[in-house]
Amino acid sequence: GAVVSQHPSWVICKSGTSVKIECRSLDFQATTMFWYRQFPKQSLMLMATSNEGSKATYEQGVEKDKFLINHASLTLSTLTVTSAHPEDSSFYICSAKEDNPTQYFGPGTRLTVL
Amino acid sequence: GDSVTQMEGPVTLSEEAFLTINCTYTATGYPSLFWYVQYPGEGLQLLLKATKADDKGSNKGFEATYRKETTSFHLEKGSVQVSDSAVYFCALLSNDYKLSFGAGTTVTVRA
Repeated sequence: GAVVSQHPSWVICKSGTSVKIECRSLDFQATTMFWYRQFPKQSLMLMATSNEGSKATYEQGVEKDKFLINHASLTLSTLTVTSAHPEDSSFYICSAKEDNPTQYFGPGTRLTVL
Repeated sequence: GDSVTQMEGPVTLSEEAFLTINCTYTATGYPSLFWYVQYPGEGLQLLLKATKADDKGSNKGFEATYRKETTSFHLEKGSVQVSDSAVYFCALLSNDYKLSFGAGTTVTVRA
């Protein structure tokens, strides 16, 4: 149980385009989902927290207009990287939780912006 | 704010060697503590956790004890295998349900 999926697992796009990443909780209802960013050989940095049906809460320094988060249902959250540039290339990981504190992580999405 | 400091490594070991990765934390209140493992090209998997002082988390031969007096949660395994090669992250869950991660420790086990 407690499986979280992400799609796509790897995406390459041209500079200036927008990319949408999906995060799904497959066998539980996720009241809260989190989006993290991980640079090569570095730790995870929390970008934002989203609760179903409400606006996401962004961490300091994360541009909300750049990284659009939608949590439309209890099993799906999306992260859209708008007008992507090479510096946005990174590994994006989501996690999801039910009412207890334990977060379950997705396998991650590798974004490469050319 | 709450934070985690862990031994950065990299750590290289031979099979059947003893592994220990140090982790200390700074927090207000009484956080829950976690160890996550990340295999190459994959996301994070929860390895073990402890939610209060003196709790011992264990899984797959790994253990860690929540030590409030030393604010530590060191990860140990008595006999590592090649399949244990991965990056290990110590993490702390704050009262606002946000996870703070350590820098990660890369472990390579040689046959």
